[in-house]
Amino acid sequence: GAVVSQHPSRVICKSGTSVKIECRSLDFQATTMFWYRQFPKQSLMLMATSNEGSKATYEQGVEKDKFLINHASLTLSTLTVTSAHPEDSSFYICSAIAGQKNEKLFFGSGTQLSVL
Amino acid sequence: AQSVTQPDIHITVSEGASLELRCNYSYGATPYLFWYVQSPGQGLQLLLKYFSGDTLVQGIKGFEAEFKRSQSSFNLRKPSVHWSDAAEYFCAVLRGSYIPTFGRGTSLIVHP
Repeated sequence: GAVVSQHPSRVICKSGTSVKIECRSLDFQATTMFWYRQFPKQSLMLMATSNEGSKATYEQGVEKDKFLINHASLTLSTLTVTSAHPEDSSFYICSAIAGQKNEKLFFGSGTQLSVL
Repeated sequence: AQSVTQPDIHITVSEGASLELRCNYSYGATPYLFWYVQSPGQGLQLLLKYFSGDTLVQGIKGFEAEFKRSQSSFNLRKPSVHWSDAAEYFCAVLRGSYIPTFGRGTSLIVHP
């Protein structure tokens, strides 16, 4: 079945540095991918919708200059956390949608970001 | 606005006991409905989904869910819980044409 690969699974960085997270659809083309953020013991919060070849659509309250999303190909979307701070520490999950009616939703395994 | 409600934050059951996790949705039409499971530090794994047809849906790991239109519910059930089922469970709805909305999750604790 379709698989979404997310990398890295865990990253620790210093405050002020930037971190890039990759999300790849391995055996299907994903024109649309989603980026979620999850705080401990909480649900997934949609950050943005990433569309191939166009600008991402950000949810209200999400800083687009802080969380840069690039969807340059049909199989790859990246999320870059710029100038990371400790409050950016979180679990980030990507997902990709497929199917004729966009009814198939596949998730990456997530990235645990820890900013020191 | 569309929403998903999981009224139980925590559920504790004994191993071997039956389980039901509740999910209610608010949506104008019959949505696409999903149940996902998440182990600590992991991504989400799809347990089952409902689009149309038979309202009783069978999933992986012995889980099933029943769509009840009159109650706007999609509760997840398992007749006999195993210790390995301890995890976080999320109900989700596709809102609009494709954007998924998640409930806040229910944490399942399994006692031996």
